Amino acid sequence: DGGITQSPKYLFRKEGQNVTLSCEQNLNHDAMYWYRQDPGQGLRLIYYSQIVNDFQKGDIAEGYSVSREKKESFPLTVTSAQKNPTAFYLCASRPRPGPSTDTQYFGPGTRLTVL
Amino acid sequence: GQQLNQSPQSMFIQEGEDVSMNCTSSSIFNTWLWYKQDPGEGPVLLIALYKAGELTSNGRLTAQFGITRKDSFLNISASIPSDVGIYFCAGRDGSSNTGKLIFGQGTTLQVKP
Repeated sequence: DGGITQSPKYLFRKEGQNVTLSCEQNLNHDAMYWYRQDPGQGLRLIYYSQIVNDFQKGDIAEGYSVSREKKESFPLTVTSAQKNPTAFYLCASRPRPGPSTDTQYFGPGTRLTVL
Repeated sequence: GQQLNQSPQSMFIQEGEDVSMNCTSSSIFNTWLWYKQDPGEGPVLLIALYKAGELTSNGRLTAQFGITRKDSFLNISASIPSDVGIYFCAGRDGSSNTGKLIFGQGTTLQVKP
């Protein structure tokens, strides 16, 4: 089945540790995105990548890092510099830019809890 | 970052009732999208709108792209318990060519059987 997978579903880490969240898609989509969601709030953009080996900061990139070495994969690292990392993290992808292709498709999310 | 104004913030309705929610922006949008999110899951696309004035249905759901290109609404007719969840609007600013979407704060819908 085609889709976006995120793993793990739940992740627990101690304060001060870096942690990497996985996002894989087999939809052959060019662009990929990482969002953070906090209770009662909308989605806030962390990083996005429109093509392989290129990515841009979103609205809340501080304390996060990404890589895009393969079209299918866009891992997010939550570093110890992120002041409040406990949140629900969502990965999304979008087809090659063109008419009617603004739709982003989301993975199931990873809930990160920092103890 | 820029956000959309989505209202209402929450709704508690009786099964069978119709529901209406809307989003407004301060700038012109080229795209309006409506998503539904179940607890602990990722948002799922309900309806995508790409032309001003466009009215699109998906089962009991109907959404419209406002003629001014600064607003959109979503209607749900004859609500059922499985309609429970958070509904998000999202849009692409007309001045953006990066594919970035701007999201509303969400409308939490609860349906009483």
